[in-house]
Amino acid sequence: AQSVTQPDIHITVSEGASLELRCNYSYGATPYLFWYVQSPGQGLQLLLKYFSGDTLVQGIKGFEAEFKRSQSSFNLRKPSVHWSDAAEYFCAVGANTPLVFGKGTRLSVIA
Amino acid sequence: NAGVTQTPKFQVLKTGQSMTLQCAQDMNHEYMSWYRQDPGMGLRLIHYSVGAGITDQGEVPNGYNVSRSTTEDFPLRLLSAAPSQTSVYFCASSYGQGSGNTIYFGEGSWLTVV
Repeated sequence: AQSVTQPDIHITVSEGASLELRCNYSYGATPYLFWYVQSPGQGLQLLLKYFSGDTLVQGIKGFEAEFKRSQSSFNLRKPSVHWSDAAEYFCAVGANTPLVFGKGTRLSVIA
Repeated sequence: NAGVTQTPKFQVLKTGQSMTLQCAQDMNHEYMSWYRQDPGMGLRLIHYSVGAGITDQGEVPNGYNVSRSTTEDFPLRLLSAAPSQTSVYFCASSYGQGSGNTIYFGEGSWLTVV
C-alpha cells in the first residue's frame, strides 16, 4: 500500500536561511508527487507537483523539489525563507488512486 | 468560476445529532472525495466517488455516509455525531480518478462535536 512519511513534525528556521523539508514515499508504481502548504485556518494550496520528466520541479513562492527514485524521496527546498512561509507543509503521493498524504511538517520562522 | 464550495464553514454539533456537509463543484469533474484533517495525522481519505452513482470507502469511512446523485454534488453525512468526529473536513475534485489530474480542494469545514 502506498504511504508517505514526513520525518520532521516541526522545524524552526531563521528568516533568510535555507530550508529543506523531507518526504519519503512508498508506492508500487511510478508515483505522482505533490507538496501542499496550509496556513493556519486555511485550506490547502498546491506548491508543486511531479508527474514525469525533469526530476527537479519548480513551484510557486520560490519552492522547488527534487524527485529521487533511488531514495524514494521528494524533498522540498527553498534557498531563503521568508516569515510568510510559516505554515504546515504536506507531501502527498498518488497516481490512479486517491491521494495519500503525509502527516505534515510545521514550519516556524524566527527573526 | 466558484471551484469547490463547501458548506457550512463552521458547525457545532451535540453528540448523537446528524448533519450533512455539502460539497459542490462547477467544473464538471468526475472525481470527488472527502478528507478529514486532524492534528498530527495529515489528511485521511473518508470516501470518494469516480462518478455519479458510484462511491467507495477510503481509509476512515466509519460513521460517515456519502451519495453521488449528480456530478456536481457530493454530500457527506454524519448520522450520529461523535466527539471523535471533531475535525476539519475537506472536499476535493478532479477531472479523473488519477491523481495526475489537478486536484481542487474546498476551503474546509470546521466541525466540533460536543
